[in-house]
Amino acid sequence: EAGVTQFPSHSVIEKGQTVTLRCDPISGHDNLYWYRRVMGKEIKFLLHFVKESKQDESGMPNNRFLAERTGGTYSTLKVQPAELEDSGVYFCASSQVGGLSYEQYFGPGTRLTVT
Amino acid sequence: GDSVTQMEGPVTLSEEAFLTINCTYTATGYPSLFWYVQYPGEGLQLLLKATKADDKGSNKGFEATYRKETTSFHLEKGSVQVSDSAVYFCALSDEVQGAQKLVFGQGTRLTINP
Repeated sequence: EAGVTQFPSHSVIEKGQTVTLRCDPISGHDNLYWYRRVMGKEIKFLLHFVKESKQDESGMPNNRFLAERTGGTYSTLKVQPAELEDSGVYFCASSQVGGLSYEQYFGPGTRLTVT
Repeated sequence: GDSVTQMEGPVTLSEEAFLTINCTYTATGYPSLFWYVQYPGEGLQLLLKATKADDKGSNKGFEATYRKETTSFHLEKGSVQVSDSAVYFCALSDEVQGAQKLVFGQGTRLTINP
């Protein structure tokens, strides 16, 4: 069974540009989460989808970030326009419906560098 | 809000040394506690967990005990190996509050030298 995959693994963009990160969850997992680790600090929750609906988006930093999950399968996280402080590693995780918090399976992350 | 504070890194040890990585937490409810590990080039993996006070989580020789009186969940291993080199994250989740999100500490990079 394939795990959570993320694309790209690394992205380098200039300030002001747009970047779209993609996450493919484990097949059959309705829960999908986005987290971010900035500059070696703690990993912070961004948002949680249940199928295509946003269950909790309390961690989204500002309106430059837009997350979508059309069709309830893969998800994208768009940053527009990117700022220097957006640099970090973006993690995606998925779990089954009714799954407990520790039953989230994580992807390898996308390292975003904004110059 | 809930938070997790863990030992600053990086930590460098020799093979077969004893390891302790400290972790303390602040939570309004009754959280479950976890240690996650990230090996180079891989995603986060659940290493061990404890869901109530005095529980001991263990896996791959690592142990951590949920200490409610000291709000701590320190990670220990008696004899580390080179393959234990990774970044370790302490985390909590407060299921009683209905939240499914994980709250992480800042991570501790561990390097084991042969």
